[in-house]
Amino acid sequence: DAMVIQNPRYQVTQFGKPVTLSCSQTLNHNVMYWYQQKSSQAPKLLFHYYDKDFNNEADTPDNFQSRRPNTSFCFLDIRSPGLGDAAMYLCATSRDYSATGASTDTQYFGPGTRLTVL
Amino acid sequence: KQEVTQIPAALSVPEGENLVLNCSFTDSAIYNLQWFRQDPGKGLTSLLLIQSSQREQTSGRLNASLDKSSGRSTLYIAASQPGDSATYLCAVRTNRDDKIIFGKGTRLHILP
Repeated sequence: DAMVIQNPRYQVTQFGKPVTLSCSQTLNHNVMYWYQQKSSQAPKLLFHYYDKDFNNEADTPDNFQSRRPNTSFCFLDIRSPGLGDAAMYLCATSRDYSATGASTDTQYFGPGTRLTVL
Repeated sequence: KQEVTQIPAALSVPEGENLVLNCSFTDSAIYNLQWFRQDPGKGLTSLLLIQSSQREQTSGRLNASLDKSSGRSTLYIAASQPGDSATYLCAVRTNRDDKIIFGKGTRLHILP
């Protein structure tokens, strides 16, 4: 059974047209992450939520926003997509990120949403 | 600033051979290191996670080692199979600023 679900799997949008990507999880994990991965590049963390606490990476553009209305769902909003925002967007969860927890740090990833900007 | 490097970027190996993938990181102040597998156009699948106090972890044909002091980790794959073909990424969680930093991955191709 899928544990981290991302919808849609493929999203096409026009330059400047807002788009929302969705992530849901059945693991009841505290932490949810959004990564951006461009072709042949390492995934780059955009931001993460620890419960309701939002943690933005310093170099994440203001164009990217996120919402977490409840434990299960997290959304990535791209307010005005540019051509450079075309990428795979990966959602991940972890139960916790306590340094003392042997298994709590394991991240579980969804299948990703591939965003194309025309 | 933590940097994670994976060399080589791509590797082709005949089926049945044992192989080692390498990951190096510049700052040894880490909580843990995780190895992932990524199939083309797909998300990441966690393979093994090694805490900073551990030296290795094993799962089936996979064995990951960690030498924190030298900033190195290896992923050993025994008796490789065509189904092992994928990109393998390592990621460290830093304890200076609690960030997860990924390498770019090694694209592995197992030749039938």
